[in-house]
Amino acid sequence: SYVLTQPPSVSVAPGKTARITCGGNNFGSKSVHWYQQKPGQAPVVVIYYDSDRPSGIPERFSGSNSGNTATLAISRVEAGDEADYFCQVWDRHSDHCVFGTGTKVTVL
Amino acid sequence: QVTLKESGPALVKPTQTLTLTCTFSGFSLSTSGMRVSWIRQPPEKALEWLARIDWDDNKVYRTSLNTRLTVSKDTSKNQVVLTMTNMDHVDSATYYCARISPGISGWPDYFDYWGQGTLVTVSS
Repeated sequence: SYVLTQPPSVSVAPGKTARITCGGNNFGSKSVHWYQQKPGQAPVVVIYYDSDRPSGIPERFSGSNSGNTATLAISRVEAGDEADYFCQVWDRHSDHCVFGTGTKVTVL
Repeated sequence: QVTLKESGPALVKPTQTLTLTCTFSGFSLSTSGMRVSWIRQPPEKALEWLARIDWDDNKVYRTSLNTRLTVSKDTSKNQVVLTMTNMDHVDSATYYCARISPGISGWPDYFDYWGQGTLVTVSS
């Protein structure tokens, strides 16, 4: 089955840039989506189709996808960005949704 | 305004069948391109996709749970129902329903709206 690998944790100082990676095979053929999940809350999409941002999501959130790695970048990190982040793809071969292993972002 | 809300028992016993209902508003599951999925998340763990039902009643299940899951819809009530048989302790999790964005590709892609989730504990 398709696997998406994320680092378990990323720590970043306020005002700096956090980068979260998501690794998978043949990413070039898949769109990657990113979700933010704060404690006790449902996930919220912050990036879809690799780099599109939903309305209401700050421009500080950006995404890219190249080769076998997708990256979510959060610039000018704020305390409120502390959360778990999950990447997600839809594997059209199996018609299954796959989530990444998740990354906990800690603001120092 | 799109909303979804899960409902069902908070506690089930091992070997029992779990039935969860997702009641939604702001869209119709009879509209072409609409899809709803169920996703779960054990405490402190990652999200796990379970199943999907489409506007045309197409259904897709997670391969490893295929024999235990059934998803159905009632378009007149704006509801999607998930049943999971033979519940075990490892099935304890928060269960979410989520709408898949109609998107531009015609394929299921990402989840644009989620319910608040319902915590299900499996214990005797």
